[in-house]
Amino acid sequence: AQSVTQLDSQVPVFEEAPVELRCNYSSSVSVYLFWYVQYPNQGLQLLLKYLSGSTLVKGINGFEAEFNKSQTSFHLRKPSVHISDTAEYFCAVSDQQAGGTSYGKLTFGQGTILTVHP
Amino acid sequence: EAGVAQSPRYKIIEKRQSVAFWCNPISGHATLYWYQQILGQGPKLLIQFQNNGVVDDSQLPKDRFSAERLKGVDSTLKIQPAKLEDSAVYLCASSLEPSGNTIYFGEGSWLTVV
Repeated sequence: AQSVTQLDSQVPVFEEAPVELRCNYSSSVSVYLFWYVQYPNQGLQLLLKYLSGSTLVKGINGFEAEFNKSQTSFHLRKPSVHISDTAEYFCAVSDQQAGGTSYGKLTFGQGTILTVHP
Repeated sequence: EAGVAQSPRYKIIEKRQSVAFWCNPISGHATLYWYQQILGQGPKLLIQFQNNGVVDDSQLPKDRFSAERLKGVDSTLKIQPAKLEDSAVYLCASSLEPSGNTIYFGEGSWLTVV
């Protein structure tokens, strides 16, 4: 079974400051990793994903994440945040193994609410 | 390209009543998902379809929830009878194929059971 832990439920930060949202996962098989953002009253939008290759992944809106296999982590970072980045962020994993019971299914963390203050 | 369409956006019902949600995925997407997102939690998969076949419904409360995807396109999710704990956002999502491909989410159907 897979699980995802987002270590911070809320992260307040001032505008133009750097931010890191932490995500750890556990799985018995190889996984793909994702970060989604959810703005109020909207659905989920993909920020970035790690499938293979370089462990540093760049996404939309200036976000990036680094896959660390030994620490089973996939932390999300942005060097300088804007007010418009205020939203809830979800880390998710899916099984790489074709035909596995969780193949294609996303398992989400609990979410981290990022609040950017002026 | 049109996104994943869901309706209704908002629904308030009394407990023990029934409700149905509709989803139209992105054209050509074979895989369709229904997720339940309870306030303060991450989304949880209820059911996954590949074309019109069920791939995973292990977390669907089958005594009250049902879902179908006729002709491998649109899908409906039904709850009957509803309980207070079913209050949540029901997110429909679709992808070209399972695993690794981007999953696109609709804006959700917000259900309040009173």
